[in-house]
Amino acid sequence: KAGVTQTPRYLIKTRGQQVTLSCSPISGHRSVSWYQQTPGQGLQFLFEYFSETQRNKGNFPGRFSGRQFSNSRSEMNVSTLELGDSALYLCASSFGPGSNTEAFFGQGTRLTVV
Amino acid sequence: QQQVKQSPQSLIVQKGGISIINCAYENTAFDYFPWYQQFPGKGPALLIAIRPDVSEKKEGRFTISFNKSAKQFSLHIMDSQPGDSATYFCAATGRGNEKLTFGTGTRLTIIP
Repeated sequence: KAGVTQTPRYLIKTRGQQVTLSCSPISGHRSVSWYQQTPGQGLQFLFEYFSETQRNKGNFPGRFSGRQFSNSRSEMNVSTLELGDSALYLCASSFGPGSNTEAFFGQGTRLTVV
Repeated sequence: QQQVKQSPQSLIVQKGGISIINCAYENTAFDYFPWYQQFPGKGPALLIAIRPDVSEKKEGRFTISFNKSAKQFSLHIMDSQPGDSATYFCAATGRGNEKLTFGTGTRLTIIP
């Protein structure tokens, strides 16, 4: 069974540009969550999608957005990139919303903003 | 109230020893507590998880101890091996707040 797939693995962008990251969840999983990981802030929740609907959103500016497609694949977009957006962006998939459901992470997309 | 506090920040243990990482939480709505292991360049991997209706869960060399009244839980790695060297994160989630709230991580180094 394939794991969570994130593409691309690495990205270098310039300040002011925008970027789109992709996540394909484990087959059968319908919930996708996104996290930002930095050395200073650790793992911070961005948002969660289930059945193409955003169910939960973390404390990030509106430049961060996402969506989920009918096949459960998800994308997140960051517009007007800032240097501080440099981070490892992680996607996690699970069967559905609710606590007590195991969440599995992809390997992440390493975004560097220069 | 959403925080999960994790300690220590780093830990060095001799091969064969016991590694212990502690976490504490405040939100009593949390009802699922997973631990994740992360190697450099990789995403976090689910290691073991516990629900508050049990006080201990063991899987191989990994054990979670859970103290509901103290709102604390810990990870014990028995017979620690160099391959266990990684960063470990505790996390918590609960009904009505289903995102994972992570601790700050513990960098574990197992020395020969």
